[in-house]
Order: sequence, then C-alpha cells, then structure tokens
Amino acid sequence: EVRLLESGGVLVQPGGSLRLSCAASGFTFFTHAMTWVRQAPGRGLEWVSSISGSGGSTNYADSVKGRFTISRDNSKNTLHLQMNNLRAEDTALYYCARDDSYSGNWYDYWGQGTLVTVSS
Amino acid sequence: EIVMTQSPATLSVSPGERTTLSCRASQSVSNNLAWYQQKPGQAPRLLILGASTRVIDFPARFSGSGSGTEFTLTISNLQSEDFAVYYCQQYDNWPRTFGQGTKVEIK
Repeated sequence: EVRLLESGGVLVQPGGSLRLSCAASGFTFFTHAMTWVRQAPGRGLEWVSSISGSGGSTNYADSVKGRFTISRDNSKNTLHLQMNNLRAEDTALYYCARDDSYSGNWYDYWGQGTLVTVSS
Repeated sequence: EIVMTQSPATLSVSPGERTTLSCRASQSVSNNLAWYQQKPGQAPRLLILGASTRVIDFPARFSGSGSGTEFTLTISNLQSEDFAVYYCQQYDNWPRTFGQGTKVEIK
C-alpha cells in the first residue's frame, strides 16, 4: 500500500525558515517523481515544486522560486521541501504527492498534508 | 504559465441528475489534463488522466472529454458521495497549474 506521511509544519514568523519532510512507503521510491502541492485555507490547489526520480531535475512555481528548495533522499525514501524567507501568503496545508512516473505528470497518491502557518 | 479556468465556481445539483463541469486552458495542453476530486478535510484524489481515462477507483458515471484548450468532466446520476470540489490540472508544460476548482453541491 502506498503511503505518504508529511511532517514539519508549524507556526513560524515571517522571514523564517522551515523544512518539510514526506516519508514514502509501499512503492519503489526512486522510480517516481515527487511533488509538493499546497492549499491555502479555504482556497484551491497550487502546485509548488516537483523533483524527478533521480533528483537531477527540479521545477518551481514562480511564487516560491529562489526561496524554496525541493530535494529527496532515495536511500531513505524521503522527500523534503526547504522553505526560506517565509511570507504570510505561504500559509497553507502542504501536500506531498507521488507523480505517475519518473519524470512526472499527474499525481496518483497524496499524503494528508502538513500545516504551515506564517504569522507574527 | 498556462492558466486553467474552471466554470462555474459552484454547481447546485439534485441527486440523480447529470452535470457537466468545464475547464479551459489559456493555450493548448493537448490531452495532458487530469481531474481530481476533493472532499472536505481530505486530500485530493486522482479521478481522470489523459483528459478521458478514468482511474479504476471511480465508477463509470464519471467521464472526461476534450483536448487542446477545452475540457469537460461529466457526472451522470449524481450520488451523495459525489458532492465535492473538482479540480483540473495540466501537465503539458512547466509550471504545472490547477484550475481554481468547481464545487458541486446539493440542490
């Protein structure tokens, strides 16, 4: 059974940093690209970042480019999102999602999310 | 960036009825489009890929169609468990983008 378990979401001050993690199990991790999608309270889904199976290719939304870094540790089946210079508008539930393939297209499994709140 | 526009924002539908949700892309995405269903307090679930291929978890009353810039999701014989928010997502280009969602509510 595919499982994705996010962690690391907390209350943080504007300008602060945070590292989210997603522990994956039930599938061959390195054969799938992985993605972070966020959802602000009461709002829709926003794609944040994706990383290929090897970790050699990454993509970012313009809203987070230069502030967030996606990475993965294939030896530990774990996905990360390093978030720096956080802003109030980064407040959201952050979902980890499995891409359908090595390079990534649609998202066939999702975690339950971890809540990031940016506020003073 | 490809902008995905869904309409309407909300649909009020009676159980047993058929309804159609629309998703429009600002430029062609070929058939590289997925639909997701999200219920309150839950993560999204993949419903349709490749614009028209329904995933096995969902019944045949769900169907997707379209290509290029115009797409539709049709739900026939709406059941109580179908009331949710539906999102389209293009995976033709980076950055990936979602529509703003259509909420299907009970009339």
